Amino acid sequence: DTAVSQTPKYLVTQMGNDKSIKCEQNLGHDTMYWYKQDSKKFLKIMFSYNNKELIINETVPNRFSPKSPDKAHLNLHINSLELGDSAVYFCASSQDLRRGTGANVLTFGAGSRLTVL
Amino acid sequence: SQQGEEDPQALSIQEGENATMNCSYKTSINNLQWYRQNSGRGLVHLILIRSNEREKHSGRLRVTLDTSKKSSSLLITASRAADTASYFCATAGLTSGSRLTFGEGTQLTVNP
Repeated sequence: DTAVSQTPKYLVTQMGNDKSIKCEQNLGHDTMYWYKQDSKKFLKIMFSYNNKELIINETVPNRFSPKSPDKAHLNLHINSLELGDSAVYFCASSQDLRRGTGANVLTFGAGSRLTVL
Repeated sequence: SQQGEEDPQALSIQEGENATMNCSYKTSINNLQWYRQNSGRGLVHLILIRSNEREKHSGRLRVTLDTSKKSSSLLITASRAADTASYFCATAGLTSGSRLTFGEGTQLTVNP
């Protein structure tokens, strides 16, 4: 069974469209994340939820809206897509981030490659 | 600003050789972690070293941490072609709930 699964794996869309990426984890973790990896492989955190509560919200355009219906799911919705949004988006999870050392070891999904034309 | 910086950016070696990658960071940390990313895949956690530890081993991996120099190194001994991947260091700050900040990564190529 895949520990952290995200769909879709590939997404090609036009500028201005709205799209969503879904993520689910079956590890029983309390904390989930969205990271963005650009073409130079630089990995930057976007959001983090702990038990459905938003705990990290980096400087990300408000076109990006995360939603966590329960602690096993964290979805990412992107409005009005722009060329610069093209990247690989990774979902990850960890034990309760607030428990400290060791609880922030991340398990990543396989990534969702978004291409905006 | 980005916490971790890694060097070299790219490393190409022959199978059987050792590979050493370095990571430097700017602020005090609680722990430092290394991850591997195979092409087209997600990152996989390799090893975690706490700020009060100086060295840690896991199989063919050896990690060192020098908090006075704010640097860490990852050594892969007797490398194999399957070790070809990008390797990232990630640091966690001192405050509870501190997020992991990733370095830029080192692309390791192990030639058969």
